[in-house]
Amino acid sequence: QQKVQQSPESLIVPEGGMASLNCTSSDRNVDYFWWYRQHSGKSPKMLMSIFSNGEKEEGRFTVHLNKASLHTSLHIRDSQPSDSALYLCAATNYGNEKITFGAGTKLTIKP
Amino acid sequence: EAAVTQSPRNKVAVTGGKVTLSCNQTNNHNNMYWYRQDTGHGLRLIHYSYGAGSTEKGDIPDGYKASRPSQENFSLILELATPSQTSVYFCASGDARGQAPLFGEGTRLSVL
Repeated sequence: QQKVQQSPESLIVPEGGMASLNCTSSDRNVDYFWWYRQHSGKSPKMLMSIFSNGEKEEGRFTVHLNKASLHTSLHIRDSQPSDSALYLCAATNYGNEKITFGAGTKLTIKP
Repeated sequence: EAAVTQSPRNKVAVTGGKVTLSCNQTNNHNNMYWYRQDTGHGLRLIHYSYGAGSTEKGDIPDGYKASRPSQENFSLILELATPSQTSVYFCASGDARGQAPLFGEGTRLSVL
């Protein structure tokens, strides 16, 4: 079964700084990646998606994908205290609808 | 507006009792999912469904059953609840490949 590994487990970044989060799938048949953000006590909300090799930018958020290495990364620039949350990476494979999540990175932005 | 509604939001159950968690979606999505979330484990997939009448095992199905009687409803059933099943449970729905699942607000279950 596919495993999704995220690193680091936790990260502290000063306000205004850059946060970089990593995610790797164990399955060569990985198809889609999503990044979700989950604030404490709330449900996960999709933040960014990426399906093709390369980079995608939306405001302060940039996501990279390298399908050859099965690796995606999320970068948050000009981090704000409201960005403090659990960031979850999710992936799915060709041929089925099963969606696997990683254990998450807990991001804390220090004012 | 797309919505996934879970009930109950909080539940306290006794060991050995039967627990049913319900999920309703008004999005006409084919796919529905049940996950549990524990500290240090992220979201782990219990069961999922491709449509009415179908259920598939996820990564941690032991001790859980699922039922999808209609497009809108997907239930998770704990026939004999155990304290190890104390967790937060999330239901999600999704449709076309590449569409990120939409999550409900979660059910906090405590088994005493």
